[in-house]
Amino acid sequence: DAGITQSPRHKVTETGTPVTLRCHQTENHRYMYWYRQDPGHGLRLIHYSYGVKDTDKGEVSDGYSVSRSKTEDFLLTLESATSSQTSVYFCAISEGSPVTQYFGPGTRLLVL
Amino acid sequence: KNEVEQSPQNLTAQEGEFITINCSYSVGISALHWLQQHPGGGIVSLFMLSSGKKKHGRLIATINIQEKHSSLHITASHPRDSAVYICAVSPSVVTQGGSEKLVFGKGTKLTVNP
Repeated sequence: DAGITQSPRHKVTETGTPVTLRCHQTENHRYMYWYRQDPGHGLRLIHYSYGVKDTDKGEVSDGYSVSRSKTEDFLLTLESATSSQTSVYFCAISEGSPVTQYFGPGTRLLVL
Repeated sequence: KNEVEQSPQNLTAQEGEFITINCSYSVGISALHWLQQHPGGGIVSLFMLSSGKKKHGRLIATINIQEKHSSLHITASHPRDSAVYICAVSPSVVTQGGSEKLVFGKGTKLTVNP
């Protein structure tokens, strides 16, 4: 357990509404990641952060934005949710080299 | 072609059987990871290895760097081993900010019946 929490854990929303998912860590890790997990695709990287206000895109970043104003919080925002963004979202931190990644408990998002 | 391929995609076994899950990759790596995800649950790191073999209880992970192949073995399988097992690699190339991005396989769903 690397002290990672995600909120909310479950959310149902309607197409077109904005949604923000929060990842919170308590151990001052520099690197944080947002993934989505879908059947047949495995884990895919949405965005990652390598420090406060330092973020970069992953392989499936379209429709998502992130912010990191404090070391401990990494926010993922869906500006206008679509049904294709129905998924399970995992936050992760990494430490060491080579890295070991530790995952949060996940957020199940359903976009109707 | 995915950079990380796992086989089989699905595996059903009887309690007590010896199980092998395979992972092949196509990029240079600094390490390979095996992760476990129970149904509806979180993702837990089982092993990180860059050479040879590691053992933890009934789980054994091996890697052959030359052949770009790793295997996860479970001895004396038990229903509580039922989970999705995910192979991931740390590519040798470090990305922006020094972050090492993992590349994941699609997972192997293991079901162990009593």
